[in-house]
Amino acid sequence: QKEVEQDPGPLSVPEGAIVSLNCTYSNSAFQYFMWYRQYSRKGPELLMYTYSSGNKEDGRFTAQVDKSSKYISLFIRDSQPSDSATYLCAMAKTSYDKVIFGPGTSLSVIP
Amino acid sequence: GAVVSQHPSWVICKSGTSVKIECRSLDFQATTMFWYRQFPKQSLMLMATSNEGSKATYEQGVEKDKFLINHASLTLSTLTVTSAHPEDSSFYICSAPQPSGSSYNEQFFGPGTRLTVL
Repeated sequence: QKEVEQDPGPLSVPEGAIVSLNCTYSNSAFQYFMWYRQYSRKGPELLMYTYSSGNKEDGRFTAQVDKSSKYISLFIRDSQPSDSATYLCAMAKTSYDKVIFGPGTSLSVIP
Repeated sequence: GAVVSQHPSWVICKSGTSVKIECRSLDFQATTMFWYRQFPKQSLMLMATSNEGSKATYEQGVEKDKFLINHASLTLSTLTVTSAHPEDSSFYICSAPQPSGSSYNEQFFGPGTRLTVL
């Protein structure tokens, strides 16, 4: 079993839709949960991070972590064509530890 | 935010040659840097953890003699792919965590280096 699993997509939605991206993981030692966005041929950029369980909102983005189920989600409201990218969930045991990435979900937002 | 640079951004080399990739933290010091490899349409796979002043820690399955890592200073780590072969062609990305004053030390990623081995 992979440490982090994520539906690779591709996911295609119309502009303005709500997008739900999800990951599951197996290692209960993970404490930090991140979502990265990666455009083609670029390095990933951090969208949001959450420590332990709970919700976090930042503009159109909401991250949820359920440690009891080992399940994390990213919601994008009012999706825009500029949101088209690959979204990678990622996790770490400590704030300085190596980051383990999920395989990524390719998202296309159609105008 | 903090900036991490990589050089070169892309490189093409012949099979059997060695290629050096540099990762620099431009406005902060990084005692630790991480090296990832990403194949097309796949996720980032951690190769090794680069530690300033000590040996790098390699992930299982990564050949330490093939992928030489040197953390020369608090702002520079280098990855040398020795005797490169076509199967080493990939996108290599480094990252460095920066203390932010919060509970999470955000990892800043470089723009990546695309290596093509002919």
